[in-house]
Amino acid sequence: NAGVTQTPKFRILKIGQSMTLQCTQDMNHNYMYWYRQDPGMGLKLIYYSVGAGITDKGEVPNGYNVSRSTTEDFPLRLELAAPSQTSVYFCASSYRRPSTDTQYFGPGTRLTVL
Amino acid sequence: GESVGLHLPTLSVQEGDNSIINCAYSNSASDYFIWYKQESGKGPQFIIDIRSNMDKRQGQRVTVLLNKTVKHLSLQIAATQPGDSAVYFCAETSGTYKYIFGTGTRLKVLA
Repeated sequence: NAGVTQTPKFRILKIGQSMTLQCTQDMNHNYMYWYRQDPGMGLKLIYYSVGAGITDKGEVPNGYNVSRSTTEDFPLRLELAAPSQTSVYFCASSYRRPSTDTQYFGPGTRLTVL
Repeated sequence: GESVGLHLPTLSVQEGDNSIINCAYSNSASDYFIWYKQESGKGPQFIIDIRSNMDKRQGQRVTVLLNKTVKHLSLQIAATQPGDSAVYFCAETSGTYKYIFGTGTRLKVLA
């Protein structure tokens, strides 16, 4: 198993540009999550999904959108990039809900918005 | 060149010594706790977990202690090795879809 994979590893965007961060897991996990990690801060939940076709907002959803058309894929869309979105983004997945299962994280995407 | 880990508290330990990393959690209703290890340039990696009905759990070279009275969690690493150098952080959840993550402690292992 490759686990959770993310692309790209690095990206530089200009203000106002758009991009999609890709996330794929091959563990047949039902639950998938997107987090951002800022310097000196804990991971913040952006969006999560409990299964294909079902998504919901986390703590910091503004400026982002997601979709979950398959079990494997959970892309994160930035429509109008802003400097405040400069961060490291992690995708994670788990088989069961958080209180009963740990999450497995991808390697991250480092995004810089200039 | 890591943006993760700037301004984190640092614990420096001699190779072979035991390490103790602490975490104060925020929600008295949290019932599941996890320790993660994050190496430079990588995603968080699961180390060990514990449920609120336990106060101690042991893994391979790691032990987690939970003190619900003072909302405190600790991670003990026995015979610390150079490969243990990383940022360690705790996470708590109360059964919702949300984890609350700590900011982390950087562990440096001195040869």
